[in-house]
Amino acid sequence: DTGVSQNPRHKITKRGQNVTFRCDPISEHNRLYWYRQTLGQGPEFLTYFQNEAQLEKSRLLSDRFSAERPKGSFSTLEIQRTEQGDSAMYLCASSESQGRGNTIYFGEGSWLTVV
Amino acid sequence: GDSVTQMEGPVTLSEEAFLTINCTYTATGYPSLFWYVQYPGEGLQLLLKATKADDKGSNKGFEATYRKETTSFHLEKGSVQVSDSAVYFCALSGPKNTGFQKLVFGTGTRLLVSP
Repeated sequence: DTGVSQNPRHKITKRGQNVTFRCDPISEHNRLYWYRQTLGQGPEFLTYFQNEAQLEKSRLLSDRFSAERPKGSFSTLEIQRTEQGDSAMYLCASSESQGRGNTIYFGEGSWLTVV
Repeated sequence: GDSVTQMEGPVTLSEEAFLTINCTYTATGYPSLFWYVQYPGEGLQLLLKATKADDKGSNKGFEATYRKETTSFHLEKGSVQVSDSAVYFCALSGPKNTGFQKLVFGTGTRLLVSP
């Protein structure tokens, strides 16, 4: 049983560049989440998908951020025109919608450093 | 809104000492409660959970009891090991009938165990 997979694990980019992160959830999970974690803080919710539909977005997700889950499987999170304040770890997570529904499993995260 | 408050760290213990990390919450309704652990450079792993009042979650020698009357979910372990050194996050999610499980995290408590 593979867990939630994220790549790249680390990304260093110059301010103003675009970056994209990919997440592959646990195969039978139809719910997918993105969180952001800055140093010394707990993760903060960004957005949520049920299958391919994006059903909830946090106010933290400015218009430079876009997330997709085109076929209800993997998801991408793109950040356009990166700023130094975007430096953080971006965590993807997934869960089933029924059964053990409210256990959310996290990937290992993608570290972004904007220089 | 919902929130989680954890004791500040770091918590520094010697091997085989007793561990308590305090967690209290504020939420509407009856949330589910979780402890996640994060090892250096990694994502979050679910440690244990409890979904209703008086439930006790346990895993790997760690325990936490859902106390509705004190809105608490303190993490305990009778004898810590060096390998338990990590950051521990308390979190809650809304009741299942809210549609999806958005996790709200505390700021984390770093545990350092010395030999």
